[in-house]
Amino acid sequence: RKEVEQDPGPFNVPEGATVAFNCTYSNSASQSFFWYRQDCRKEPKLLMSVYSSGNEDGRFTAQLNRASQYISLLIRDSKLSDSATYLCAVTPSGTYKYIFGTGTRLKVLA
Amino acid sequence: EPEVTQTPSHQVTQMGQEVILRCVPISNHLYFYWYRQILGQKVEFLVSFYNNEISEKSEIFDDQFSVERPDGSNFTLKIRSTKLEDSAMYFCARRGENTEAFFGQGTRLTVV
Repeated sequence: RKEVEQDPGPFNVPEGATVAFNCTYSNSASQSFFWYRQDCRKEPKLLMSVYSSGNEDGRFTAQLNRASQYISLLIRDSKLSDSATYLCAVTPSGTYKYIFGTGTRLKVLA
Repeated sequence: EPEVTQTPSHQVTQMGQEVILRCVPISNHLYFYWYRQILGQKVEFLVSFYNNEISEKSEIFDDQFSVERPDGSNFTLKIRSTKLEDSAMYFCARRGENTEAFFGQGTRLTVV
């Protein structure tokens, strides 16, 4: 099993739609979780950290399910500008490095 | 404004040549990372560097690679004898106060 797994997509959704991505991780003792956004040939940009209680930032909601070892990202009211690849990152226990998933590509269509 | 600045933005080099990629933090931080991303693939961890020493490194980070912080500010990644498969985006990142990573804009390395 890969350390961090994501559905590569693409997810093609119309503007205004709600879309959700999941990311599973294999190390049950992982300690930190993040969602990043990456545009084509650009650097990953932090979208949000994921906290145990779940957290929201505007149209974006992130959740952590430790029992099932996955994190999720929900995007409400999708905009054209949300089109990008969404990467999840996990910090395994006992380390300070970030392990990235392959990313999920989102295309928001007009 | 980027958290870290990377130079050059693009480097083309011949196979077998040495390259040095540079990362300049905006603020005085202690914890840095180098990652690479081969086109179409995931972002892969290479090495972490804390307080001027390697903290952790991946299997990818073999003897061909080295990191330094020669002047206490610039943070460099050296690839001694480049191979075609070293062609990738190389990202420098710093660790934030809340354990998140902030990435530089990357250096696109093309080995020909």
